Amino acid sequence: KNEVEQSPQNLTAQEGEFITINCSYSVGISALHWLQQHPGGGIVSLFMLSSGKKKHGRLIATINIQEKHSSLHITASHPRDSAVYICAVRYNYGGSQGNLIFGKGTKLSVKP
Amino acid sequence: EPEVTQTPSHQVTQMGQEVILRCVPISNHLYFYWYRQILGQKVEFLVSFYNNEISEKSEIFDDQFSVERPDGSNFTLKIRSTKLEDSAMYFCASSENADYNEQFFGPGTRLTVL
Repeated sequence: KNEVEQSPQNLTAQEGEFITINCSYSVGISALHWLQQHPGGGIVSLFMLSSGKKKHGRLIATINIQEKHSSLHITASHPRDSAVYICAVRYNYGGSQGNLIFGKGTKLSVKP
Repeated sequence: EPEVTQTPSHQVTQMGQEVILRCVPISNHLYFYWYRQILGQKVEFLVSFYNNEISEKSEIFDDQFSVERPDGSNFTLKIRSTKLEDSAMYFCASSENADYNEQFFGPGTRLTVL
């Protein structure tokens, strides 16, 4: 069964700290998504990657296809970054029409 | 900025009742998805829909579930006879294309089955 593993499960940081969340997957993928889920439950798409690196504001996402690994970095973290960060992948298997397989999420809490 | 909308935000129903969850995807998107998240668990894929038919469905999406695009804008998920274990947050998502395209999620509908 294809799984998506995230680490750590929980992360507490002080405001201003550099944060890294990791995601690994088992077989070839066509795309990897980083999502943010707020306490109210809503999901926001942060990045979609198939190779390399993307940056948006204080967020940076990288992916290493050979190692089947992706990281999400947050620079100069702020309490408003507190949320659950979810990695989701679309595996390369025949007939798939884009459905995503999700990790369990990393719960980030940034203290002032 | 265009967004996916879902109604209602919270639905409470009695076990055995039928519920219909509604979604309005982004207007130029062609692929539509339903996901669910049981409280405290990870998000799970239910079904994908393209060109007025189901493209793929998971083991969760059994005969109790159905999807429909009744008109040009709405995309619905129907649960025929709800069970306690159907209580979850249900998310609709849409994308322009299946491959290499970002999926945009709606705010979710929290379904509570009593």
